[in-house]
Amino acid sequence: AQKVTQAQTEISVVEKEDVTLDCVYETRDTTYYLFWYKQPPSGELVFLIRRNSFDEQNEISGRYSWNFQKSTSSFNFTITASQVVDSAVYFCALRTGGGNKLTFGTGTQLKVEL
Amino acid sequence: DAGVIQSPRHEVTEMGQEVTLRCKPISGHDYLFWYRQTMMRGLELLIYFNNNVPIDDSGMPEDRFSAKMPNASFSTLKIQPSEPRDSAVYFCASSPRTSFYEQYFGPGTRLTVT
Repeated sequence: AQKVTQAQTEISVVEKEDVTLDCVYETRDTTYYLFWYKQPPSGELVFLIRRNSFDEQNEISGRYSWNFQKSTSSFNFTITASQVVDSAVYFCALRTGGGNKLTFGTGTQLKVEL
Repeated sequence: DAGVIQSPRHEVTEMGQEVTLRCKPISGHDYLFWYRQTMMRGLELLIYFNNNVPIDDSGMPEDRFSAKMPNASFSTLKIQPSEPRDSAVYFCASSPRTSFYEQYFGPGTRLTVT
């Protein structure tokens, strides 16, 4: 069975602070894919990144960066110099190689205040 | 390019009534997914289709729920009869053929059953 744990229910930061959202996953499959989605207050789910299990290279996209570590089964997401517009619920998700079902974590509510 | 389209965006109905939610996936996508999001249970996969054929409906709560995909550009999720506990946001998502591609979500339908 697959499982995604986002232990941080809610995080509050002041604008310009860096913040890291944690994601720990469980799967017995050797081939799998990890995702991060953003859900702003408007409600839609916005895809941010996909990473497959064979690619542990970290990725940076503007103020966003992702740290994938198979040794600890983690796929953490860091926002540098946070902005109010980053306020949203962030979901980590897992898909195993043989299927198309996404298993979502419970989400982390990020609040960025002025 | 148009994303996933869902209608209606909001639906308020009385217990016992039939509710039909609609989804138009992104053109060319072979997979279509229906999710439900509630505070208590988070994001749950209800059913998904591949090339208009239902592949996995194990997430459908009970017989009151049914989903169809009569063609590649249209799907419905029907609840009959509706109950207050069905109140949730229902998302439709689609993805291309290859399994590792991310799912693109529609804006969701917020259903309230009174």
